[in-house]
Amino acid sequence: DAKTTQPNSMESNEEEPVHLPCNHSTISGTDYIHWYRQLPSQGPEYVIHGLTSNVNNRMASLAIAEDRKSSTLILHRATLRDAAVYYCILSGSGTSYGKLTFGQGTILTVHP
Amino acid sequence: DTGVSQNPRHKITKRGQNVTFRCDPISEHNRLYWYRQTLGQGPEFLTYFQNEAQLEKSRLLSDRFSAERPKGSFSTLEIQRTEQGDSAMYLCASSSEGQYSGNTIYFGEGSWLTVV
Repeated sequence: DAKTTQPNSMESNEEEPVHLPCNHSTISGTDYIHWYRQLPSQGPEYVIHGLTSNVNNRMASLAIAEDRKSSTLILHRATLRDAAVYYCILSGSGTSYGKLTFGQGTILTVHP
Repeated sequence: DTGVSQNPRHKITKRGQNVTFRCDPISEHNRLYWYRQTLGQGPEFLTYFQNEAQLEKSRLLSDRFSAERPKGSFSTLEIQRTEQGDSAMYLCASSSEGQYSGNTIYFGEGSWLTVV
């Protein structure tokens, strides 16, 4: 399975944008990029996912590099509720889709 | 859309006892996944179903673990002869997949197991 590399932790101030990076240099052409976040004792919460093009939803934006070897999750205005562990995950398509290999993730701290 | 529902949310059991967790996926989601998460680690894939067929099992799923999805709707995960190492949060997820992949995968809140 292709792996991802994320910083262990990042900090941000409330109401400022946050850019969470993810490297996935061994990504294949059919691998999807997923982002989830998780609070202690809760299940992972879906944030966003994409294949090749940048994606936007009400929670965040996903910027995918042209060579697809890296991506960035963008939270446009951080709030205290955005403090969580953020996971960047790759999955294949077809029968491999949904078989997510979670890494250690990035712990995001948001300061008031 | 009530989301992925898991029961019970918490279970404390004595070593050697059997436990069963239930997962109700989002309505009409044909894929259902089970994951396990121990403290301080990310979730690990255990197994998944496409409708009622179990298509893949991780090596983490020892022979004491069995999962079923008899009618392609809800699923159960049973752990027999529990061991302290089974203490973890068991997560269920579901998605709707057809000829093409790419739909959103939603997770439930998890079922915590403590083996004493």
